[in-house]
Amino acid sequence: GIQVEQSPPDLILQEGANSTLRCNFSDSVNNLQWFHQNPWGQLINLFYIPSGTKQNGRLSATTVATERYSLLYISSSQTTDSGVYFCAANYGGSQGNLIFGKGTKLSVKP
Amino acid sequence: ETGVTQTPRHLVMGMTNKKSLKCEQHLGHNAMYWYKQSAKKPLELMFVYNFKEQTENNSVPSRFSPECPNSSHLFLHLHTLQPEDSALYLCASSREGAGGSGANVLTFGAGSRLTVL
Repeated sequence: GIQVEQSPPDLILQEGANSTLRCNFSDSVNNLQWFHQNPWGQLINLFYIPSGTKQNGRLSATTVATERYSLLYISSSQTTDSGVYFCAANYGGSQGNLIFGKGTKLSVKP
Repeated sequence: ETGVTQTPRHLVMGMTNKKSLKCEQHLGHNAMYWYKQSAKKPLELMFVYNFKEQTENNSVPSRFSPECPNSSHLFLHLHTLQPEDSALYLCASSREGAGGSGANVLTFGAGSRLTVL
């Protein structure tokens, strides 16, 4: 079946460090989104990025659709970046019908 | 505050109870979704509504009954649940089908954490 795989599953950083999170998907996608879930469960959309590169402050994302992967870059990490990062892909049907990966749990230490 | 409000935030119910989860969006979106997040499984889609019509049902057991009276409100009616149904239930909305910036981006509520005893 369709799969969305994220790596690494867990990541511990010192404040100020940079990191790269990876998302591999098993088939061509209609859209791909990155989300951050804070420790209280709130999911926030970070990027809608079916292809190309986008930047938003210290975060940026790149999706290479032809090679079926997406990367999320976090620069100068802060303790508030802690939480779980999910990528989710749409393969058809409603655009909001997303297949989620298992997430990367990020802990940023002061 | 994301513009998608879910109530209650926490719910404990017995297996014979009937309860409902409510979701309201103030974003002018036309599509609304229920997702389930269990402790050991990735987020999974349950239902999709577009302009208050159900467009997708991801093989959800009938003990979960959705209702969408209009494009701004979505309910999930619960009855005779099982302990394994304990999870975080997340509502989301999006502006689907239109182009432009922000189209198809999902906005989630804070979730309703359900415990079934």
